Amino acid sequence: QVQLQESGPGLVKPSETLSLTCSVSGGSFSPYYWSWIRQPPGKGLEWIGYIYNSGSIYSSGNTNYNPSLKSRVTISLDTSTNQFSLRLSSVTAADTAVYYCARALALGVTFDFWGRGTLVTISS
Amino acid sequence: DIQMTQSPSTLSASVGDRVTITCRASQSIITWLAWYQQKPGKAPKLLIYKASSLESGVPSRFSGSGSGTEFTLTISSLQPDDFATYYCQQYNSLSPLTFGGGTKVEIK
Repeated sequence: QVQLQESGPGLVKPSETLSLTCSVSGGSFSPYYWSWIRQPPGKGLEWIGYIYNSGSIYSSGNTNYNPSLKSRVTISLDTSTNQFSLRLSSVTAADTAVYYCARALALGVTFDFWGRGTLVTISS
Repeated sequence: DIQMTQSPSTLSASVGDRVTITCRASQSIITWLAWYQQKPGKAPKLLIYKASSLESGVPSRFSGSGSGTEFTLTISSLQPDDFATYYCQQYNSLSPLTFGGGTKVEIK
């Protein structure tokens, strides 16, 4: 069974960079879209972006970000450790949310496995 | 962006009721639509993909239909485990992927 686990600080100061890592176990790391999705407290889901791992060093690492966050987001992949990461810069209180990592199939970007989520609070 | 609008936002129902949730897209998404169930404090769970295909392991009382801009999720006979919030998600456009605002199914 595929398992995803988010890790990272639960508290980040305004204007700093939020950094999270998702560790994937129990299944193949390719070919999938590895994604980040967030949910502000009491609100709906917002897709942040994904990175594609084709399993080939020649075509992996393509990213796609939500245009509303694109200037602040970086998603990266480490195939040697089966991990992928999120960096969100210049955070404000509006970035306070539960952050989920999730897997999507290459055939259609629906999220079939999710991490349990981690609450990140932006506060000084 | 493709906007996804769900209705109702809240639905009160009893065990055994037939429940229908609607999701409308701001432009045609063909059948590139998924439905998720989320319980408090938990990650969403994929129920339906490609508008009407049941994800493995999901009970057959869940069904999806629709194409173009209008879609429905139906629970044929509501069970106690089904009280949750449901979200639709379009994946016709990948920039960005978008979710509906959610429909909370409450106990009547």
